[in-house]
Order: sequence, then C-alpha cells, then structure tokens
Amino acid sequence: NAGVTQTPKFRILKIGQSMTLQCTQDMNHNYMYWYRQDPGMGLKLIYYSVGAGITDKGEVPNGYNVSRSTTEDFPLRLELAAPSQTSVYFCASTPGGPEQYFGPGTRLTVT
Amino acid sequence: AQRVTQPEKLLSVFKGAPVELKCNYSYSGSPELFWYVQYSRQRLQLLLRHISRESIKGFTADLNKGETSFHLKKPFAQEEDSAMYYCALSGSSNTGKLIFGQGTTLQVKP
Repeated sequence: NAGVTQTPKFRILKIGQSMTLQCTQDMNHNYMYWYRQDPGMGLKLIYYSVGAGITDKGEVPNGYNVSRSTTEDFPLRLELAAPSQTSVYFCASTPGGPEQYFGPGTRLTVT
Repeated sequence: AQRVTQPEKLLSVFKGAPVELKCNYSYSGSPELFWYVQYSRQRLQLLLRHISRESIKGFTADLNKGETSFHLKKPFAQEEDSAMYYCALSGSSNTGKLIFGQGTTLQVKP
C-alpha cells in the first residue's frame, strides 16, 4: 500500500491563480481530511469527508473547496489564491477511528 | 469550546535528561487524547493514545481529568527523539475529527 499520497510536493502560485491539491489513499478509508499547518499554529482542519459524496467544513474553510466523488480521492481546490494561503497542506485518512494516516504534505507559496 | 493548548513552542534538553511536553485541553465531555509526532522529513504519525496506557519509544502520557492535562513524558531523552510533537483531542462526534494543539518542537542536544 502506498497509503496517502499527495501531489504536488511543492508549488508557487501568483496571487489570484487557482490550483488543485491532489490527495489519494489506497486503504479504502471512508474518512478523509485536509489540514493546513502554519508555524506556531498547529494543524487546522480545512474540510473533511465521511464518505464518497459527503463533505463538510472544518475550522478554516474560507478560500477552499473540496469534492469527494470516489472513496480514494479527495482533492482540495484553491480559488483566487492569496498570500494568507501560504502554508503546508496535509491530507489524512482513517477507516473510522481517531488514528489518522497522513500524507507527506504539499508546501504552497503564494506571492 | 474544544481546545488543545501546548504552551511551549520549543523545548531543548540534553541527551539523557528527562522530558515533559505539556498539553492542556478544554472539553466538556470525555475526550480521547493522543500524541502525534513528526520526525524530520517524515509524515505525521500517531505516537500514543491515552486509552491504551502504553509506553511507546519510552514515552508515556497520563490523562489528568482534574487538571485537564495530558503531558508527554520520557525519563531519558535520546537524540532521535528530536521532532515536532502534537497533542490532539477527539470529541464525541463520529466524524473522526481531531483538534490539534500548536505543536512543540523537541530538540535533544548531544
């Protein structure tokens, strides 16, 4: 199993551009999550999904959108990128318990 | 409100010294508490959970409901313990959501 994979690893965006961060898991987990990690702020939940077709907002959803058309994939869409979205983004999944399995992260810079 | 607080951004100790990473939480019900660790160039991973009451890599953590704390302890720090440590709380919802603290960087000097 590859576990949770994320692409790209790094990306630089200009203000106002859009992009999609990809997240895929091959463990058949129903639950998936997107976090952002800012220095000194810990991990903040952006969006989560409890199964295909079901998504919900987390603590910091503004400026982001998600979809969950399959169990495996949970892409995060940034529309009109802003400098405040410069961060490291982590995707995670779990079969249902609190032990979450994390991807390697995507480092995004918006300039 | 549900909240996890880790008061120290950085904890620096010498090899062989005791380590205590502090975690306090705010939650009205009966939470589950966890410690996650992120070693350099590795993924964030679960270190231990309070309900298992186990020792992992020499680390232990006891849930103190009276003080609403879940401090992580190790009697003798090793250089390979250097990492970012996150305390996390799981509430009563069935969504698997975790609330993370701000994280503490542990630096173990030789």
